[in-house]
Amino acid sequence: QVTLRESGPALVKPTQTLTLTCTFSGFSLSTSGMCVSWIRQPPGKALEWLARIDWDDDKYYSTSLKTRLTISKDTSKNQVVLTMTNMDPVDTATYYCARTKVPAGGGWFDPWGQGILVTVSS
Amino acid sequence: QSVLTQPPSASGTPGQRVTISCSGSISNIGSETVNWYQQLPGTAPKLLIYSNNQRPSGVPDRFSGSKSGTSASLAISGLQSEDEADYYCATWDDRLNGFVFGTGTKVTVL
Repeated sequence: QVTLRESGPALVKPTQTLTLTCTFSGFSLSTSGMCVSWIRQPPGKALEWLARIDWDDDKYYSTSLKTRLTISKDTSKNQVVLTMTNMDPVDTATYYCARTKVPAGGGWFDPWGQGILVTVSS
Repeated sequence: QSVLTQPPSASGTPGQRVTISCSGSISNIGSETVNWYQQLPGTAPKLLIYSNNQRPSGVPDRFSGSKSGTSASLAISGLQSEDEADYYCATWDDRLNGFVFGTGTKVTVL
């Protein structure tokens, strides 16, 4: 059974750096074709993809946020970490991590973690 | 902001068929396969359709997907009350070199 769980602070102050950890089980990020993505959803709004890291350590970022994001993995711990700098109240959202399969380009998210609500406020 | 356009809402009575559209461009839907996600109230999204028209194990065959050119569609036949949810399309965008989501459609069962 594949599971993912997000962890990190529920509250951060403006200008601070957010660090989120995705801990997963049931698959290995060293297996060809396996990836993990981060996606967020502001309250009442649509989903927004943030970043993806692949089994071979290739990394992809949202064009609009790439200067603020860093994604990394620790294969031995089955963890993926996302950092987002210079947090702003508009970054208040539920942040999800999801296993990402990319069989031949494209790809899909399955399954998703339960999500973690991060509020940015002073 | 979302790159793929969906109608904000759709509705039907139990048993009816509802269709949701997803409009994109040559760099995303026109080049890649489309996936659909269902988000029940207060829960994380769940994969509903992948590779345009494939259903993961456990997804009822009432749900079907299709793609033509730069648009895709999700159809729900035999609508049930438990289908009330938000639905999102998504795909890879070759120009942006990243995933893109639709604007989301809220389905209401009348």
